[in-house]
Amino acid sequence: EIVMTQSPATLSVSPGERATLSCRASQSISNHLAWYQQRPGQAPRLLMYDASTRATGIPARFSGSGSGTEFTLTISSLQSEDFAVYYCQQYNNWPPRTFGQGTKLQIK
Amino acid sequence: EVQVVESGGGLVQPGGSLRLSCAASGFTVSTSAMTWVRQAPGKGLEWVSTISDSGRDTYYADSVKGRFTISRDKARNTLYLQMNSLRVDDTATYYCVKDDCSSSNNCYLAYYYMGVWGKGTTVTVSS
Repeated sequence: EIVMTQSPATLSVSPGERATLSCRASQSISNHLAWYQQRPGQAPRLLMYDASTRATGIPARFSGSGSGTEFTLTISSLQSEDFAVYYCQQYNNWPPRTFGQGTKLQIK
Repeated sequence: EVQVVESGGGLVQPGGSLRLSCAASGFTVSTSAMTWVRQAPGKGLEWVSTISDSGRDTYYADSVKGRFTISRDKARNTLYLQMNSLRVDDTATYYCVKDDCSSSNNCYLAYYYMGVWGKGTTVTVSS
């Protein structure tokens, strides 16, 4: 089973600033990584797939990078609606399809 | 618009059964890879089960294998999750997800990401 590890668990950033979230896979997953955003009380939604491709309707301030075992999600200028929990998930080698434990992005 | 709507959640006693439904619109369930993901209260996301686009293959998390069954109804354009022998730790919100892939080759190789999520249905297992 591929273990996904996200860091940090909680990130405090001021609106308008940049946020950088990390995700590490226990073995290489090529670029088969997705990021999901979950706002409080809502279902998750797809942000990014294939590590760096934005899903439909996702603003350009979101960008993803990485391949192999190290991945990053960057939000260039935080808006109020971006404060949420973010999960990474690998789909290279499954079952099982595994998620990271999540990074909570909160207002500083 | 591609959409999925879950139903069927509720309160059930340990050892009981429940069937979740996921009604799809804007696409055909019987030719799509589909997935169930759950989230226990205050916890992260856990993959539960996937059915391949052909329907020939089904996959389960170890935690539910032998107890849960994923299936779909072409006529109703609906995905199901039959949950038997429910345990207290099955308590969660269950999300229905339409899987997507970024190329025909990726689809062939089952490199699915979770493209469209429903709002979820809550299952509580308690005596």
